[in-house]
Amino acid sequence: GAVVSQHPSRVICKSGTSVKIECRSLDFQATTMFWYRQFPKQSLMLMATSNEGSKATYEQGVEKDKFLINHASLTLSTLTVTSAHPEDSSFYICSAGDASSGNTIYFGEGSWLTVV
Amino acid sequence: GESVGLHLPTLSVQEGDNSIINCAYSNSASDYFIWYKQESGKGPQFIIDIRSNMDKRQGQRVTVLLNKTVKHLSLQIAATQPGDSAVYFCAESTSYDKVIFGPGTSLSVIP
Repeated sequence: GAVVSQHPSRVICKSGTSVKIECRSLDFQATTMFWYRQFPKQSLMLMATSNEGSKATYEQGVEKDKFLINHASLTLSTLTVTSAHPEDSSFYICSAGDASSGNTIYFGEGSWLTVV
Repeated sequence: GESVGLHLPTLSVQEGDNSIINCAYSNSASDYFIWYKQESGKGPQFIIDIRSNMDKRQGQRVTVLLNKTVKHLSLQIAATQPGDSAVYFCAESTSYDKVIFGPGTSLSVIP
């Protein structure tokens, strides 16, 4: 079945550096992907909608200059956390909808980011 | 960003009993609802979904009930097993657009 893959699954970076997380739809094309952030013992919070070939749509309160999203192809969206700080440490999860299967939504396995 | 709730309610049930997890959703325009299971350190796993033109849907050991009048969703798990221990999220969507998650409920199954 359709799978959404994220890479890396875990990453540690130094404060002030940038880190990129990839989200791939493995056997379907996704014109839209979604990025979520989840802090421990909390729910998934939608950060932005990634649109293939156009700018991402950010949710209120999410800094677009800090969380750069690029959706250059129909199977890949990337989230770059720029100038990362310890408070950006979180679990980042992406999802994509497969229009060919009735818009079934698939989630990636998530990426743990730790900023030290 | 959108967020719903900052605490995690918990539910403890005896193995073999039925579990009922409740959820209140916020957007009356939502027409698609999903229940997800999340185990520690993993992404959400689809359990069952329901469209707004239905009020009940059954899967294997799970049933979802939708009450649009009071904007309430519930997940029933029959004969709960230790492997069902996880956090359960209800989620809502409008026309299969972005999915917004509820606060989640932690289910703990007592052997």
